[in-house]
Amino acid sequence: GNSVTQMEGPVTLSEEAFLTINCTYTATGYPSLFWYVQYPGEGLQLLLKATKADDKGSNKGFEATYRKETTSFHLEKGSVQVSDSAVYFCALSPAAGGGADGLTFGKGTHLIIQP
Amino acid sequence: DVKVTQSSRYLVKRTGEKVFLECVQDMDHENMFWYRQDPGLGLRLIYFSYDVKMKEKGDIPEGYSVSREKKERFSLILESASTNQTSMYLCASSRFRVSEQYFGPGTRLTVT
Repeated sequence: GNSVTQMEGPVTLSEEAFLTINCTYTATGYPSLFWYVQYPGEGLQLLLKATKADDKGSNKGFEATYRKETTSFHLEKGSVQVSDSAVYFCALSPAAGGGADGLTFGKGTHLIIQP
Repeated sequence: DVKVTQSSRYLVKRTGEKVFLECVQDMDHENMFWYRQDPGLGLRLIYFSYDVKMKEKGDIPEGYSVSREKKERFSLILESASTNQTSMYLCASSRFRVSEQYFGPGTRLTVT
């Protein structure tokens, strides 16, 4: 079946540091890939997405590139801010006909940015 | 922008009570989902619906039921609440069955 693996953390960085959160997946065909962010006490917000190999999703300074050869979708940001402190979820939706409905989520990475 | 709203942000119920959690979306999406979120376990799909009056079990449907009488509204029902159903409940909707989902703010349910 489909699965998503990401580091759980917590990941603690200083403000303005470079961020990488690793995400790898297992799925048949060409799934679509997503990063969601959850701020304390809130629901999940879609941060960025990529729907085919080599696509780069980007939003609010965050980027992730869909790498089919390594089945990865790592999240990066060049200079983090305290306001980026949140839990980040990597997720996939299967290709059409690829199996179960809905999204498959990783367990989430708790990011803490210190001033 | 898609808006998904949930009836309560916080709810406290007693063991054995029947609990209704409601979710409404305003973007005419066909598909709606209920998840629960627990520390260390991530998000787990309880039920989903791809059309009015249609429902499908997710990964952990036991102890729950759902109702979708109108396209914009999807209700999660705990028939007889138990303490192990204390959790954060998240509703989501999507245009297609396999596309990005849009989430509500969540309901933190405590069963005592």
